[in-house]
Amino acid sequence: QKEVEQNSGPLSVPEGAIASLNCTYSDRGSQSFFWYRQYSGKSPELIMSIYSNGDKEDGRFTAQLNKASQYVSLLIRDSQPSDSATYLCAVRAGGYNKLIFGAGTRLAVHP
Amino acid sequence: DGGITQSPKYLFRKEGQNVTLSCEQNLNHDAMYWYRQDPGQGLRLIYYSQIVNDFQKGDIAEGYSVSREKKESFPLTVTSAQKNPTAFYLCASSTSGTGGGSTNEKLFFGSGTQLSVL
Repeated sequence: QKEVEQNSGPLSVPEGAIASLNCTYSDRGSQSFFWYRQYSGKSPELIMSIYSNGDKEDGRFTAQLNKASQYVSLLIRDSQPSDSATYLCAVRAGGYNKLIFGAGTRLAVHP
Repeated sequence: DGGITQSPKYLFRKEGQNVTLSCEQNLNHDAMYWYRQDPGQGLRLIYYSQIVNDFQKGDIAEGYSVSREKKESFPLTVTSAQKNPTAFYLCASSTSGTGGGSTNEKLFFGSGTQLSVL
């Protein structure tokens, strides 16, 4: 079982819709959770971080964490074509001083 | 402007050749990291360094070497022992050595180097 799993996609949504990206992780001791956005051929950029159960909102982005079920999700409201990118989920497992990345979900927002 | 500079953007390696990827940061960060990204895969940690003159192996260190003689610089050498070096290489830095996982820390990435084999 991979430590951090994401559906590779592509996830295709129309402009203006809500895009929902999901990530599951295997280590119950995981402490910190991050979403990075990566455009093709570019480096990842951090868009959200979440550390406790529940929702965290930042503009059009909402991160949701459920430690009991070991999943973290990212919702993008009012999706724009400029949101088309690969979204990487990253998890810091308990006791480790490094991030473990998922393979990423490719999001395509079409006009 | 502060940031991380990786060079070159594209690099080609001949069989049996060692090549070195450059990474320089002017963010005054203590910790630096090298990741490898293959198509359709997440980032995998090669090496990391939390302070000058010290570095640790990541998950896929075989066939790679690093040095950290200066705080600003963390070059990665891809040796001839790395049989499948074609990948996108990303250098990153952070304010402390927790790999971007602490609550008040952010991982900053360079623009990457695409390494290919001739």
